[in-house]
Amino acid sequence: DGGITQSPKYLFRKEGQNVTLSCEQNLNHDAMYWYRQDPGQGLRLIYYSQIVNDFQKGDIAEGYSVSREKKESFPLTVTSAQKNPTAFYLCASSPDPDRGYTFGSGTRLTVV
Amino acid sequence: RKEVEQDPGPFNVPEGATVAFNCTYSNSASQSFFWYRQDCRKEPKLLMSVYSSGNEDGRFTAQLNRASQYISLLIRDSKLSDSATYLCVVNVLNEKLTFGTGTRLTIIP
Repeated sequence: DGGITQSPKYLFRKEGQNVTLSCEQNLNHDAMYWYRQDPGQGLRLIYYSQIVNDFQKGDIAEGYSVSREKKESFPLTVTSAQKNPTAFYLCASSPDPDRGYTFGSGTRLTVV
Repeated sequence: RKEVEQDPGPFNVPEGATVAFNCTYSNSASQSFFWYRQDCRKEPKLLMSVYSSGNEDGRFTAQLNRASQYISLLIRDSKLSDSATYLCVVNVLNEKLTFGTGTRLTIIP
């Protein structure tokens, strides 16, 4: 079955460490997105990519980095520069925004 | 002004009741519209797209009013399983979707 897979489901990080969240899709979607959700709040866009080897900053890109070397993969690195990284991170993909997004099941990152 | 605004609720309604949510958007160039459902600590899932002519899927009806720039979702004969947060979503520039903060619904037995 086609889908979008995020790993790990839960991640704990010490302050000052970088950490990479995985997102893989086998839906053959061109576009991929990373969102962050804080408790009781909406989704905020971190980065997005409409095509391989190209990506754009979203509304809250500071302290994050991404790469898009393959169509199937869009990993997100949370760097030590991100001051408040504890959140629920959601990856999504889409063939066309007019058709909506498919989301992965998310990664809960906690800084300890 | 936020691009997409929703009443956060919570809406607490008895089982079997009809409940309606509204959502307003600020950009008149918005192209497509959706309602997503998000259960607690889960990812959002597409509930339905919203078309200008209005559309229905079982107990759910979505309406779009472009002149007033609002979208609505009506749930009839509500079930306990309808308890969730409902997200209003707008495609503004055909590059990315903008999400409202969601309306929380609890169906009471």
